Amino acid sequence: EAQVTQNPRYLITVTGKKLTVTCSQNMNHEYMSWYRQDPGLGLRQIYYSMNVEVTDKGDVPEGYKVSRKEKRNFPLILESPSPNQTSLYFCASSSRVRGEDTQYFGPGTRLTVL
Amino acid sequence: GENVEQHPSTLSVQEGDSAVIKCTYSDSASNYFPWYKQELGKGPQLIIDIRSNVGEKKDQRIAVTLNKTAKHFSLHITETQPEDSAVYFCAASFRHSGGSNYKLTFGKGTLLTVNP
Repeated sequence: EAQVTQNPRYLITVTGKKLTVTCSQNMNHEYMSWYRQDPGLGLRQIYYSMNVEVTDKGDVPEGYKVSRKEKRNFPLILESPSPNQTSLYFCASSSRVRGEDTQYFGPGTRLTVL
Repeated sequence: GENVEQHPSTLSVQEGDSAVIKCTYSDSASNYFPWYKQELGKGPQLIIDIRSNVGEKKDQRIAVTLNKTAKHFSLHITETQPEDSAVYFCAASFRHSGGSNYKLTFGKGTLLTVNP
């Protein structure tokens, strides 16, 4: 089954404790993105990657890092989480083939930073 | 950068009625406009999309219209059913030649409630 998986689905942590949210897709997609969803703000892009070893900032990259060492994986790293990073996070992937470039979203990771 | 405005933020309709959600965008270069449905506890799922070379697209009870001159697009759901209740997001992106719509700018969402 074609899918995007994220782990963990729920995480409660404390300020300053480094964490990583993993994202994996099995569709051989070139493009992957991270979004955060906050009430009243919709979804905002954090980082995206056009291919292995190619990443770039989205609209709200501050406080986040990403890496793309393998095509299928795109982890989101919070080196020193703060309470304003409490949010619902979504990973997404898409193909670069025209007509097949729908963005597929993972199930989400709900992060609470105390 | 692109800015997408979505209205209304909440919409309540009776089962069987139609629902319309409207979005405007700011970047005239945007050429791809998807609509996503998000059910409680799940990630957004694409329900329909439209590219800038067409003005309307329909898929069963769902249709999307695009007015490039006015820079707005709308989602129309006819004969609504309780299972249509969800949050709907519009989005816009510019698809580069040889590239993909990897950078979506989303509207803030519309909570649609269909009352039985």
